[in-house]
Amino acid sequence: EVQLVESGGGLVKPGGSLRLSCVASGLTFRSFSMNWVRRAPGKGLEWVSSISSSGSYIYYADSVKGRFTISRDNAKKSLYLQMSSLRAEDTAVYYCARGIVPAATPPYDYYYMDVWGKGTTVSVSS
Amino acid sequence: QSVLTQPPSASGTPGQRVTISCSGSNSNIGNNAVNWYQQLPGTAPKLLIYTNNQWPSGVPARFSGSKSGTSASLAISGLQSEDEADYYCAAWDDRLNGYVFGTGTKVTVL
Repeated sequence: EVQLVESGGGLVKPGGSLRLSCVASGLTFRSFSMNWVRRAPGKGLEWVSSISSSGSYIYYADSVKGRFTISRDNAKKSLYLQMSSLRAEDTAVYYCARGIVPAATPPYDYYYMDVWGKGTTVSVSS
Repeated sequence: QSVLTQPPSASGTPGQRVTISCSGSNSNIGNNAVNWYQQLPGTAPKLLIYTNNQWPSGVPARFSGSKSGTSASLAISGLQSEDEADYYCAAWDDRLNGYVFGTGTKVTVL
């Protein structure tokens, strides 16, 4: 069974840091692009970041650029999101998701996320 | 602020057909394939339609997607109570160099 399991969420003060992890099972992790997507309370889905299968190509939403760092360890079948300078507006459930893309780099005439984890909750509050 | 615009809500009675629109631009929907995700209350998002009109395994054919120019739509035929959820369109955006989700539509079964 293909499965993604996130961990590392919690309560952190504004300005603090947190590292999220996502462990994959049942899939050839090194072959796929991976993504982080979040949903804040009362808001819709927001794409956060993507990393190519090799880790060579990385993309961030403007809202997190310069504060969040995505990385992966293919040997450990793991995806990470290092979050720093956290703000109240980063409070959300964070999901990792497998990406299906035609190539490692844009243009992506198709790009979709077909396997999702259950999410981990990040709360930023003093 | 999302670059893909959806109506905030849609509703119908059981058995009816409901359509959700998604409006974008040349840099996203106009140039790239559209996908739709369903998020049931308290659960993770689920891929519902990919590359405009394809069904992942297990998704019933009463969900259908279409795209024309810079707009797309999702139709739910034979609406069922278990279809109550939030629905999002999404696509890669060439100008933003990132993935964009729609604003989301909450579907209510009356």
